[in-house]
Amino acid sequence: EVQLVQSGAEVKKPGESLKISCKGSGYSFTSYWIGWVRQMPGKGLEWMGIIYPGDSDTRYSPSFQGQVTISADKSISTAYLQWSSLKASDTAMYYCARRRGDLGAFDIWGQGTMVTVSS
Amino acid sequence: DIQMTQSPSSLSASVGDRVTITCQASQDISNYLNWYQQKPGKAPKLLIYDASNLETGVPSRFSGSGSGTDFTFTISSLQPEDIATYYCQQYDNLYTFGQGTKLEIK
Repeated sequence: EVQLVQSGAEVKKPGESLKISCKGSGYSFTSYWIGWVRQMPGKGLEWMGIIYPGDSDTRYSPSFQGQVTISADKSISTAYLQWSSLKASDTAMYYCARRRGDLGAFDIWGQGTMVTVSS
Repeated sequence: DIQMTQSPSSLSASVGDRVTITCQASQDISNYLNWYQQKPGKAPKLLIYDASNLETGVPSRFSGSGSGTDFTFTISSLQPEDIATYYCQQYDNLYTFGQGTKLEIK
């Protein structure tokens, strides 16, 4: 079965760092782009960035460039989203999703990781 | 940046109704447009790719059309399980989601 499994919910304080993960299985992880999508409480979907695990080529939304870092470890079929200094406004659900081949559609989604930043 | 404008932002309809949602791009995106369904507490699900192609396993009551800047998503006969928020997404230049349309049963 093709799936993406994300790490569990996190509760952090402002200023702390965080790295969440997304592990792919059931397909060739290095052959598909993995994107990250933010959903703030009660709000819509926002595309953050995308990485090609085969060569770590990474693109960011201008809104998130410099705010987060996307990386991947192809040896363990895992993509990451990290923050160096969290803010309360980073409180959101974060989804990873696989981009299908040459299409721009995200066909497989992780279950989401809820990040709560509160003092 | 390419902006995607969906309308309406919310919609109330009866079971069996035909439901239509529109999505307008701020510039020509050809047919690089996808539609997703998100039910409460769940991850989004791909329904339509490349403006009009039905994803495998998705009921045929869902359809999409359009090209350039104007796109339409249609549910031909609304079912109770279709209650969700629907999003369009472009991929002509990076990726952008519309703001979503929340669909409720009347």
